Amino acid sequence: EDQVTQSPEALRLQEGESSSLNCSYTVSGLRGLFWYRQDPGKGPEFLFTLYSAGEEKEKERLKATLTKKESFLHITAPKPEDSATYLCAVQDGSQFGTSYGKLTFGQGTILTVHP
Amino acid sequence: ETGVTQTPRHLVMGMTNKKSLKCEQHLGHNAMYWYKQSAKKPLELMFVYSLEERVENNSVPSRFSPECPNSSHLFLHLHTLQPEDSALYLCASSQDRGTGLTDTQYFGPGTRLTVL
Repeated sequence: EDQVTQSPEALRLQEGESSSLNCSYTVSGLRGLFWYRQDPGKGPEFLFTLYSAGEEKEKERLKATLTKKESFLHITAPKPEDSATYLCAVQDGSQFGTSYGKLTFGQGTILTVHP
Repeated sequence: ETGVTQTPRHLVMGMTNKKSLKCEQHLGHNAMYWYKQSAKKPLELMFVYSLEERVENNSVPSRFSPECPNSSHLFLHLHTLQPEDSALYLCASSQDRGTGLTDTQYFGPGTRLTVL
């Protein structure tokens, strides 16, 4: 069974204080790893998809990286508007035809950035 | 309208009521999903429709009944719910490439459901 564990559960940063969020996963055959941002009371907003170990993607102050066992979301010089819950999810490519589009989500990391 | 929209945004219902949640996607996708998000728990996949055919039913109680009349619209019909069904219900859509795997899923804003 696919598993996704995110750490820490909650992270408080001062504005400008860089840090990283971790997503550890267990999957038979990784088809894709997805990062989403979710603001309170809203739906998840897509950030990145990573497909293979060594891949990196960047968007503004965020950079996502992927290894064979985990992914990191690096936040450089965060601002208060980066405060949100960050969700990681994996799609298992080995379950071809039996887990149609199924994403397994982690429980999320709640990020709070203080001014 | 753009992206994925959901109505209503908030719903309060009694255990004997019947209500429906509506989702519409404006992205030209052919797969749609219902997820349940409860406090302190990961998102749980409930149903998947691809090309208007239900392809996954993730052991969801029969008091939840999905309907997908076309590739742009998805409904979740609710009846005789329990208080533990209170949660944020999220709709998502993606493009199914016909291989059993799909592209990135895009989510709507959700319906906050409270069952009294």
